[in-house]
Amino acid sequence: SYVLTQPPSVSVAPGETARITCGGINIGDYSVHWYQQKPGQAPLLVIFYDTDRPSGIPERFSGSNSGNTATLTISRVEAGDEADYFCQVWDSSSDHSYVFGPGTKVTVL
Amino acid sequence: EVQLVESGGDLVQPGRSLRLSCAASGFTYDDYAMHWVRQGPGKGLEWVAGVSWNSDYIDYADSVKGRFTISRDNAKNSLYLQLSSLRAEDTALYYCAKGHSGACQRNYFDNWGQGTLVTVSS
Repeated sequence: SYVLTQPPSVSVAPGETARITCGGINIGDYSVHWYQQKPGQAPLLVIFYDTDRPSGIPERFSGSNSGNTATLTISRVEAGDEADYFCQVWDSSSDHSYVFGPGTKVTVL
Repeated sequence: EVQLVESGGDLVQPGRSLRLSCAASGFTYDDYAMHWVRQGPGKGLEWVAGVSWNSDYIDYADSVKGRFTISRDNAKNSLYLQLSSLRAEDTALYYCAKGHSGACQRNYFDNWGQGTLVTVSS
């Protein structure tokens, strides 16, 4: 079963850059997608296929994926970016074909 | 605008059954795969089941295989999840999510409903 790891929390000052990692064995061989979830809300897709942004998602959100780590980067962090962030891959050999990371809580100081 | 509205969540006893529904609008429903994803209280996201656009391909997480059944009615723009032999660990908010393509595999979830709460307790 494929396992994704994420740091439980990341803290960042407004205007600075937040980097949220998603680790997995050879994750660079997978397509990674990222979701933002604010308290009491449904998840929102913010990055798909490692680096692509859905319409309406600010350019401040970007992604990368190589080796054993995928990264979601939030530039010029704003208070409204405070949320949980989950990475996700598809892995047909896993007990869950769709695998989510455990999530990272981003706190804006 | 894509809208996904779940319903059917309830408080049920262990071992009982429940049927969840998801009403879809704002897109060509029968072009896309659909999925159920759940989130336990204070926990992360767990994919539960998915169905291709024409129901030819259906997939389940091992944790629910044999107990849950996903189905869709394209004429009614609706998605369903039949939950049976419910356990306490099935307690969660169940989200309906739209896949980005018609195939059940290799999706990302580009739209989500607000969820319906299932609580399994005696």
